[in-house]
Amino acid sequence: DTEVTQTPKHLVMGMTNKKSLKCEQHMGHRAMYWYKQKAKKPPELMFVYSYEKLSINESVPSRFSPECPNSSLLNLHLHALQPEDSALYLCASSLYGDQPQHFGDGTRLSIL
Amino acid sequence: GESVGLHLPTLSVQEGDNSIINCAYSNSASDYFIWYKQESGKGPQFIIDIRSNMDKRQGQRVTVLLNKTVKHLSLQIAATQPGDSAVYFCAEEGANSKLTFGKGITLSVRP
Repeated sequence: DTEVTQTPKHLVMGMTNKKSLKCEQHMGHRAMYWYKQKAKKPPELMFVYSYEKLSINESVPSRFSPECPNSSLLNLHLHALQPEDSALYLCASSLYGDQPQHFGDGTRLSIL
Repeated sequence: GESVGLHLPTLSVQEGDNSIINCAYSNSASDYFIWYKQESGKGPQFIIDIRSNMDKRQGQRVTVLLNKTVKHLSLQIAATQPGDSAVYFCAEEGANSKLTFGKGITLSVRP
């Protein structure tokens, strides 16, 4: 079992809906990450939080809004998504930079 | 341009044989490298890492080799087992903890 927990495991939403993805870790890690993975492709970095502050935004559209309420939690708020946003969304954490990133099992998102 | 809809490269090995998975990385400034294993329906699982001041590191049944001269990374798996069947990704870490993954290789173990 992974030590990074993501909920929900699956999510189907319409293009006008608002939903949130959640990620939690209790390993004391101070860096947390969101990745997007399309089928048969590698994960692609979206956002990096370091000590609860956003440090990298990889030019992600504003319909994706990350939030880090505390050092254990990471959210990804979704609004007005497009069908091409359907993918596996992965959360990861590391003790700090330059340390192994540990991944959750992701949320499989489908946009109708 | 990027190819769409192609299968991932596949390495097929006999159970019990050794596997070698190769990866070319792009950024000569990268100083930290990680191998991940991803099984169907799961997130990437950390296997082993290596820093640029090393050229070899061993774990349990796995060895990572780093050749900085030609920007090449390899993962060797000893006595490959059916449970090793998965997609394997190499990843390089650059500035600001940004991890960039390689394209991935599917390892298929024949019984």
